[in-house]
Amino acid sequence: RKEVEQDPGPFNVPEGATVAFNCTYSNSASQSFFWYRQDCRKEPKLLMSVYSSGNEDGRFTAQLNRASQYISLLIRDSKLSDSATYLCVASGGSYIPTFGRGTSLIVHP
Amino acid sequence: SAVISQKPSRDICQRGTSLTIQCQVDSQVTMMFWYRQQPGQSLTLIATANQGSEATYESGFVIDKFPISRPNLTFSTLTVSNMSPEDSSIYLCSGLRTSGRAGRWDTQYFGPGTRLTVL
Repeated sequence: RKEVEQDPGPFNVPEGATVAFNCTYSNSASQSFFWYRQDCRKEPKLLMSVYSSGNEDGRFTAQLNRASQYISLLIRDSKLSDSATYLCVASGGSYIPTFGRGTSLIVHP
Repeated sequence: SAVISQKPSRDICQRGTSLTIQCQVDSQVTMMFWYRQQPGQSLTLIATANQGSEATYESGFVIDKFPISRPNLTFSTLTVSNMSPEDSSIYLCSGLRTSGRAGRWDTQYFGPGTRLTVL
């Protein structure tokens, strides 16, 4: 079983739609959580950290559920430019992060 | 965000040769890592680069094949030795940057990657 699991998608949504991704992690000792965005042929870039209190940044909202060991990312009012792969990351006390395989999002006109 | 530069950005190499990739990070970075990402796949951690000592390798990666140096806090190199076509991949350097704020996590940033093709 992978330590961090994500639905690979692709999620194919129209502009303006709301889309949600979930990610589960198996290591209960994980302490910090993140969502990264990766565009084709580019390096991953930090989208947002995910704290226990949740985190919102404009159209993006991330939630953490420690009891169920999952992380979510909600994107409201999707834009064409949101098309990318979204990587979920869980990191333990050693700071060695574990990346999920990514969820592909395609936003179409 | 941390400033991480990496070179070369790409290279095409013959099998049996070696390539050394350089990574420079800013002074806010504490830990440095090397990853590999093959097309359509997620990131695979090769090793953690330790300053002044041998890198810590993940399962499936060995020092003879991927020697790593980190002579100081802000610089590291990864060598891909005796290359074969299976080594064709994107190699990414990353650094863990301290948040400097209580309650906020240290965050990992990535260099632009080195796209390696082995013929």
